[in-house]
Amino acid sequence: DTEVTQTPKHLVMGMTNKKSLKCEQHMGHRAMYWYKQKAKKPPELMFVYSYEKLSINESVPSRFSPECPNSSLLNLHLHALQPEDSALYLCASSPTFAGGTYEQYFGPGTRLTVT
Amino acid sequence: ELKVEQNPLFLSMQEGKNYTIYCNYSTTSDRLYWYRQDPGKSLESLFVLLSNGAVKQEGRLMASLDTKARLSTLHITAAVHDLSATYFCAVDNKFYFGTGTSLTVIP
Repeated sequence: DTEVTQTPKHLVMGMTNKKSLKCEQHMGHRAMYWYKQKAKKPPELMFVYSYEKLSINESVPSRFSPECPNSSLLNLHLHALQPEDSALYLCASSPTFAGGTYEQYFGPGTRLTVT
Repeated sequence: ELKVEQNPLFLSMQEGKNYTIYCNYSTTSDRLYWYRQDPGKSLESLFVLLSNGAVKQEGRLMASLDTKARLSTLHITAAVHDLSATYFCAVDNKFYFGTGTSLTVIP
């Protein structure tokens, strides 16, 4: 199984809402990533978890809160978002974060609209 | 911060032709990745290049890496319509992505 799943596929939320994005993989990968991608732009790294610990936070605003409850699951909790946060949110995983030959597998993404 | 530039940004080519996409990056890195993204879809990993002089080929696509020149190329041979997509390179263990090249192959 080389699949990364993400739910929901689409999400519309108001600026006062709290919602969560979910990402799951069952490949035994120990590194998981969140990216944000605006239309016609490259993905921007937000967070990296390695062995369930937060390794990288790319100065992401606190209204985005990641969580890695176990090695297969990655959540992104959203609160008090702004319209400019509307984007495609991509989750990815790889066998490890640093060292070795590692290829990333991306999920299908959650398309988020903030109204 | 590491900067990654791709050129061209847009490429329109006829079926059967060859072309090369270039990826330049600003500081030393020992790894480079190529991805494909179809419109409205997620990213698909194409190649992982880990050493100077590395060359990998899959079908009509061939990628190479010159770490001394900080340059990677993605060569397309005898393009077909199915290759139409946006291609990204990414560098370093923090996956700094290039600007992307939008490729359209015209029948």
